[in-house]
Amino acid sequence: KQEVTQIPAALSVPEGENLVLNCSFTDSAIYNLQWFRQDPGKGLTSLLLIQSSQREQTSGRLNASLDKSSGRSTLYIAASQPGDSATYLCAWRSSGNTGKLIFGQGTTLQVKP
Amino acid sequence: ETGVTQSPTHLIKTRGQQVTLRCSSQSGHNTVSWYQQALGQGPQFIFQYYREEENGRGNFPPRFSGLQFPNYSSELNVNALELDDSALYLCASRTTGANTGELFFGEGSRLTVL
Repeated sequence: KQEVTQIPAALSVPEGENLVLNCSFTDSAIYNLQWFRQDPGKGLTSLLLIQSSQREQTSGRLNASLDKSSGRSTLYIAASQPGDSATYLCAWRSSGNTGKLIFGQGTTLQVKP
Repeated sequence: ETGVTQSPTHLIKTRGQQVTLRCSSQSGHNTVSWYQQALGQGPQFIFQYYREEENGRGNFPPRFSGLQFPNYSSELNVNALELDDSALYLCASRTTGANTGELFFGEGSRLTVL
C-alpha cells in the first residue's frame, strides 16, 4: 500500500526557531515530491518540488531534501515567523502517467510571537 | 496566485442529490486532476483528465465522474450524494511533456451534505 507519514502531526514553536518537518514514503519508484502549505479552509500552495534526480531544493527560508533510498524527505524552515503558521503537506508522485499525488496527513505548525 | 479557479466556493446539498463542481485551469495546462479532502486529512486522488479523457482514477465509485473541456475548464459530478461526501474538493492542473510536473491547486469547493 502506498502511504505517506508525516511527523510530527502538530508543532508549536516560538518565533525565530529553526524547525524540521519530516515526511516518509513507502515506494522508492518516486517521480517527484512536492511540499505544500495549506491555510485553514483554503487550497494548497506549492512550496517546493523535488525531482527524483535531485537531493534538495531551496526557496527563501525553506529547504527541502529528498533521500529516495531511505524513503524520506524533510522540510527545513529557518527563522520561523507567525505568518508561517499553517498545515504543511508533503505528497509524492510515482513514476508513470497518472500523475496521482499521494499525500500525508500534514503537520500543523503554530509559530507564537 | 495559481491561476486555477474553482466554483462554487461553498455549497450545501441533501443526501441523494447531485452536484457539479467547476474548475478553470491555467492556459496551457492540459492535465487536470481532482482531489477530495476530508476534515483533518490529506487530499485523496479522485481522477485525472488529459486531453479530455480520464487517464487515472483513485478508489472512488462510479458516481464520481468528470469532464474536461478544450478551453481548460473541467467539472466534477457526484451523483446520489452521501453524508460522507462532505469534504473540500480540490482541482489541480499542470502541463505535461518536458516540464517539472509541478501541480497547482485551486482554493477548493467546500461541499456539505445534510
